[in-house]
Formats: sequence, structure tokens, C-alpha cells
Amino acid sequence: NAGVMQNPRHLVRRRGQEARLRCSPMKGHSHVYWYRQLPEEGLKFMVYLQKENIIDESGMPKERFSAEFPKEGPSILRIQQVVRGDSAAYFCASSPNKNTEAFFGQGTRLTVV
Amino acid sequence: QKEVEQNSGPLSVPEGAIASLNCTYSDRGSQSFFWYRQYSGKSPELIMSIYSNGDKEDGRFTAQLNKASQYVSLLIRDSQPSDSATYLCAVAGSGAGSYQLTFGKGTKLSVIP
Repeated sequence: NAGVMQNPRHLVRRRGQEARLRCSPMKGHSHVYWYRQLPEEGLKFMVYLQKENIIDESGMPKERFSAEFPKEGPSILRIQQVVRGDSAAYFCASSPNKNTEAFFGQGTRLTVV
Repeated sequence: QKEVEQNSGPLSVPEGAIASLNCTYSDRGSQSFFWYRQYSGKSPELIMSIYSNGDKEDGRFTAQLNKASQYVSLLIRDSQPSDSATYLCAVAGSGAGSYQLTFGKGTKLSVIP
């Protein structure tokens, strides 16, 4: 049973480009969460999605960031016009329902140059 | 603003000793508590969950919860060099926000051979 799969593992973008981060949850999990970890900072909640629905995006910056979890395919976290401050590790987690343990993927380390 | 506080460490213990990691939280309504282990450059790995007051043991790990004091701890018995990592305390939100984890910044543990 594969765990949470994220790709790419490492992503380098120039300022102003777009970054697309993908997350496939564990089999049987329909709840997906995105967290961001800045250097020397704790993990911060960004967004919670179920299939085709954004449940809570209160932790996501209002501009340039968006997330989706389509009926078919992985969840996507999209960052438009990236800036240096977006450089961080982005982790996706999934759970079978909203009140149970969440398991994390390997993360995508975004570097903006 | 929900907060989770941990001593940043580093906490150094000799091999074979007991490592004690502590965490306090601000949200009195929280019902679910988790300990994750994160090796440098890797993703958080769930090692313990605890939901009711008291102790919960799993192998060399014991989680302790005291909701009245808003305090969670993790004991690692017979510490091994492979336990050297950053340990993250995570607290689920209360009520409708129970899916959202608030993380402490982590305690870095170093087990000295």
C-alpha cells in the first residue's frame, strides 16, 4: 500500500514563474491537507480539500496560491508568479476521514532563484 | 491564535537513557494529539497519537496527556542513535476545525552513542 506520493521532490523556479506541486493521497484516503514548512519554522496549515471541494483554505495566502483536488487525478497546489519568500518545503498529508491520523508525503522542496 | 509550544533543544541524552519531550498547547477544546518524528530533510512520520488523559505506550514510546494542564509529553525509553531527529508535537483543532493540525516548532533530540 503506497503512502502519500508527492512530486516533484525538488523544484527550482525563477521569480515570476509558476510552480505546480502534486499529491496523490494514500489509497482509501479522500481527505487531503497541504502544509508549508519554512526554514527554522514549524509546519503551517494551508488548505484542506476533499474530492472536488475546498473545505478550508484559511491558511493559504489570498493571492497567487490555489489548490484543487479533482475527481480524477492528484491534488494540485499551484503558486503563480513565485517570489523568493515562497521557497519552502510543501508537504501534503492525507487521512481516511477528517478526524483521524494524517500521514505525510515526502514533500516538495521549492527553491525560487 | 492557537499555539503549541515545545522546547527547541537540542536535547542530548546518552544511548540507553530515557528522553523526555514536552509540549503545551493553548486550545482547551482540542481532543487529539500527535507526535511526529522528522529526520533532517525528510517528511514528518507519525509515531504516536493520544486522545484521552493518561499514558499510552507503544514499544519504546510512551505518550502522556493531561488536558487540565494542557500538556502532552513523549518519553523514549532505551534511546538509540537512530532516534536522533526533530520531534514535532501536533494538536488538532477543536470542534469544526478538528482536521487542522497546529504544530510546535519541534524539539531536536540527539542521542549520543
